[in-house]
Amino acid sequence: DAGVIQSPRHEVTEMGQEVTLRCKPISGHDYLFWYRQTMMRGLELLIYFNNNVPIDDSGMPEDRFSAKMPNASFSTLKIQPSEPRDSAVYFCASSLRGGSMNTEAFFGQGTRLTVV
Amino acid sequence: AQKVTQAQTEISVVEKEDVTLDCVYETRDTTYYLFWYKQPPSGELVFLIRRNSFDEQNEISGRYSWNFQKSTSSFNFTITASQVVDSAVYFCALSGGGSNYKLTFGKGTLLTVNP
Repeated sequence: DAGVIQSPRHEVTEMGQEVTLRCKPISGHDYLFWYRQTMMRGLELLIYFNNNVPIDDSGMPEDRFSAKMPNASFSTLKIQPSEPRDSAVYFCASSLRGGSMNTEAFFGQGTRLTVV
Repeated sequence: AQKVTQAQTEISVVEKEDVTLDCVYETRDTTYYLFWYKQPPSGELVFLIRRNSFDEQNEISGRYSWNFQKSTSSFNFTITASQVVDSAVYFCALSGGGSNYKLTFGKGTLLTVNP
């Protein structure tokens, strides 16, 4: 498998614009996570899905952020409107809960977002 | 609620020294999972190890070893004979058991191995 694929790798946008980050999880994985990484706050869990259903979105900073998972092979994280403080690296990860065991999460390469 | 604490923000060692990275966790789950990840300067997050709460055996993989102690809620990571290529940020992470798979990371420890 190619691993978790995120696009774009880099995004530079102007304040107020809509930004959409994309993620393709590893085939067969039933969990998908969106994280944000900044120097100040470290790795923050924004939202995670199980079988395409959002389970916990308590980490989503505000209503400007939304995430969807329309099918098992695709998820998006949208920021509208974007602000400079949204600048960060956004990671997508997926994992498989095999039976009763939680396995490790595999991460994509991340999307470096810069809002100017 | 679950929490992971990595008290060491930065560690600097000289090549060939042994180094231990500390991780303390909090959870109310009786079944849980602990992980270590490495983030080299290139930025990707690389999985290193998973440990289940019901398995307290320590593990060794080459120069890496992990010490899991439920009594002190710790899951420490030791690198023996460190090398420059070990320089990275290391994250400890925790997920709950059951269907609540919420993967929470510590703040990370920046390890610098100097030649």
